[in-house]
Amino acid sequence: AQSVAQPEDQVNVAEGNPLTVKCTYSVSGNPYLFWYVQYPNRGLQFLLKYITGDNLVKGSYGFEAEFNKSQTSFHLKKPSALVSDSALYFCAVRVSGNTPLVFGKGTRLSVIA
Amino acid sequence: GAGVSQSPSNKVTEKGKDVELRCDPISGHTALYWYRQSLGQGLEFLIYFQGNSAPDKSGLPSDRFSAERTGGSVSTLTIQRTQQEDSAVYLCASSLGGFILNSNQPQHFGDGTRLSIL
Repeated sequence: AQSVAQPEDQVNVAEGNPLTVKCTYSVSGNPYLFWYVQYPNRGLQFLLKYITGDNLVKGSYGFEAEFNKSQTSFHLKKPSALVSDSALYFCAVRVSGNTPLVFGKGTRLSVIA
Repeated sequence: GAGVSQSPSNKVTEKGKDVELRCDPISGHTALYWYRQSLGQGLEFLIYFQGNSAPDKSGLPSDRFSAERTGGSVSTLTIQRTQQEDSAVYLCASSLGGFILNSNQPQHFGDGTRLSIL
């Protein structure tokens, strides 16, 4: 069975500092990994995905994520946080085939000015 | 607009009543998904439609929940005899292709329907 863990419910970071939101996964097979962001009272917005190839993927709003197969991780990163990055972040995984997208429980990021 | 549209945005109803939630996917997207987002629980997959294939209903929590997708476009999620534990935000998403054909395609989400059962 597929699963995703986001070990931190809340991450606080000062504006201008680098940020990391952690995600680990468990699948049988090759994973397709996604990050989404959710602002208050809105749906989820796609940030980036890892399918194959380069382990470092770049996405929207300056975010990037690194796929680490040995650690089964896909942590989201940004070199310099903005107050406007404050939101709820979801990691998700699926494997090729007839399986649904499985989401983590989300991590709330607060960037403090 | 060109995004996924859901209605109503908010719904308050009494326990035991039936509710219908609507989703208009992005034009041309053949795959449509329903999720439920409860406080502190992340997103729970409910049901998935792909083209004219039989839907994947494996995530529906009980037989009170059902969904239809007419004409391969608009979808309606129906909850019968609502219970207080049904209170949540119901999110709809669409994508090009589906789980098999385009596993790497991102899903585009609507803003959800916030359902409150009194």
